Amino acid sequence: GAVVSQHPSRVICKSGTSVKIECRSLDFQATTMFWYRQFPKQSLMLMATSNEGSKATYEQGVEKDKFLINHASLTLSTLTVTSAHPEDSSFYICSARYNRAPKLFFGSGTQLSVL
Amino acid sequence: ELKVEQNPLFLSMQEGKNYTIYCNYSTTSDRLYWYRQDPGKSLESLFVLLSNGAVKQEGRLMASLDTKARLSTLHITAAVHDLSATYFCAVDILGDDKIIFGKGTRLHILP
Repeated sequence: GAVVSQHPSRVICKSGTSVKIECRSLDFQATTMFWYRQFPKQSLMLMATSNEGSKATYEQGVEKDKFLINHASLTLSTLTVTSAHPEDSSFYICSARYNRAPKLFFGSGTQLSVL
Repeated sequence: ELKVEQNPLFLSMQEGKNYTIYCNYSTTSDRLYWYRQDPGKSLESLFVLLSNGAVKQEGRLMASLDTKARLSTLHITAAVHDLSATYFCAVDILGDDKIIFGKGTRLHILP
């Protein structure tokens, strides 16, 4: 089946640094990618939706200048957490689909810890 | 604003028992998803429900969708310990390219 590869799986960084998370679709064209954030024992909160070649649509309350999303190709989307702070520590999960197909493929997630 | 409400949020049950998790949503949708998540892991797709009256079954799990009532259920039959996990429903919003998750149901099955 289709695979979405997400890297890194775990990252620890110092406060004030930037972290990039990559999400690649390995065997299909990911026309749409979704980025979610999940705090411990909570649900997945949609951060933004990105379509290949266009600007991401951010959910209310998500700072677009802090969480930079790039979806430059049909197989790659990146989320950059700029000037990370401890409150940004969370589990970040990407998901992808082709057009509006009724099937989402999830990455394995990235556990971000900001010291 | 779309709301996706799951209940219960936490469920502890004995092996061998049956139970149902409910997922209500507040807007028109033509598809609903159920996922399982184990601690520290990403999501595993369980069911995709695409039409009113859809029913799907896999092992001890069965999901159904009533689009008129905006309600989906996930029924567990004769629960076993291996089904302990968090279960999420997610709604694919008609006319909008976003998928919103319920708060999840933490299922703990006692051996």
